[in-house]
Amino acid sequence: DAGVTQSPTHLIKTRGQQVTLRCSPKSGHDTVSWYQQALGQGPQFIFQYYEEEERQRGNFPDRFSGHQFPNYSSELNVNALLLGDSALYLCASSDGTANGDTQYFGPGTRLTVL
Amino acid sequence: GESVGLHLPTLSVQEGDNSIINCAYSNSASDYFIWYKQESGKGPQFIIDIRSNMDKRQGQRVTVLLNKTVKHLSLQIAATQPGDSAVYFCAEISGANNLFFGTGTRLTVIP
Repeated sequence: DAGVTQSPTHLIKTRGQQVTLRCSPKSGHDTVSWYQQALGQGPQFIFQYYEEEERQRGNFPDRFSGHQFPNYSSELNVNALLLGDSALYLCASSDGTANGDTQYFGPGTRLTVL
Repeated sequence: GESVGLHLPTLSVQEGDNSIINCAYSNSASDYFIWYKQESGKGPQFIIDIRSNMDKRQGQRVTVLLNKTVKHLSLQIAATQPGDSAVYFCAEISGANNLFFGTGTRLTVIP
């Protein structure tokens, strides 16, 4: 049973560019959440997707957008990259039910903005 | 607003000793808490969870205690092993299933 997978593992971009990160949830999970983890900090919630719609959003600007596909996989897009966007981007999946609050994380994508 | 914080940023213990990692939370309405372990270069790994209608929950070598009166959470690791060295986060569930994390405690196990 595959866990949560993310691609790419590492990415280097320059300021002003755009980036797309990808996530495949754990088998049987239909809810995907994205988090940003700066160095030495805890993960910060970006947004959550369920049934192909953004269900919740954290305190992140509109430059951060996402998408969920019918197979429950998800993408995180960041436009007009800033140096401060350098971080580990984590995807977590859950089964979306009342008893399915436990979120399982992927290994993350390390984004470096130069 | 909600905040989840940890009392100590670092903790060093001797191999074989018990470890206790503490966490304070501010949202009294939070009803679900999770401890995660994060090793270098990896995503957070689920350790154990507890709901607000419980005071204690035990897993394999780990115990989570919840004190709702003082809004305090702790993770106890029995017979700490070198493989337990990592950063430990407590997180609370707020609203519809998004996690609020604290800064983390780095546990170092001394052989």
